[in-house]
Amino acid sequence: AQSVTQPDIHITVSEGASLELRCNYSYGATPYLFWYVQSPGQGLQLLLKYFSGDTLVQGIKGFEAEFKRSQSSFNLRKPSVHWSDAAEYFCADSGGGADGLTFGKGTHLIIQP
Amino acid sequence: DAGVIQSPRHEVTEMGQEVTLRCKPISGHNSLFWYRQTMMRGLELLIYFNNNVPIDDSGMPEDRFSAKMPNASFSTLKIQPSEPRDSAVYFCASSPTVNTEAFFGQGTRLTVV
Repeated sequence: AQSVTQPDIHITVSEGASLELRCNYSYGATPYLFWYVQSPGQGLQLLLKYFSGDTLVQGIKGFEAEFKRSQSSFNLRKPSVHWSDAAEYFCADSGGGADGLTFGKGTHLIIQP
Repeated sequence: DAGVIQSPRHEVTEMGQEVTLRCKPISGHNSLFWYRQTMMRGLELLIYFNNNVPIDDSGMPEDRFSAKMPNASFSTLKIQPSEPRDSAVYFCASSPTVNTEAFFGQGTRLTVV
């Protein structure tokens, strides 16, 4: 079964600075990869997804992610963060199969003034 | 579409009582998932349905948990009897197919005292 690793439990970034959240997947074949964001007390909202094609995908709220097969990574980036980006971020993989989504443990993003 | 609708949003119950969580998926979606979120274990897939049929319930913690999907527009997750360690946020999600992006409800925060 696929597994997803988010190595950073917490990340603190200054408002206006760039952001990169790391995600590594384990599934060997074509992964279907996703990034979700969860604000306190809310459900998960899809930011972006990668199935195939261009390895740099654009999402909502100014986020992008790059799929790198050689590194088994799908890191999320944003050039300039806003205080409203403070939230929990989850990477997920469906493995292209029939197992549903497997989520990483999440990265808690803190924005400091 | 109103999205995935879960009820209740909050539930406080005494240990030993039966708890039923409800979910209405997005119309036209063929797959439905139940997840549990805790600080310790993150997001765990409990069970998922495809075309109203349970496909994988290996994530259901024990026999006290059961889930049903009597039709395409309704699912329940039942805990009987409930225990304090069942306290968590339970999310329902639906997707067009099992390996595409899932759309999450707002969750039910369950507290068992």
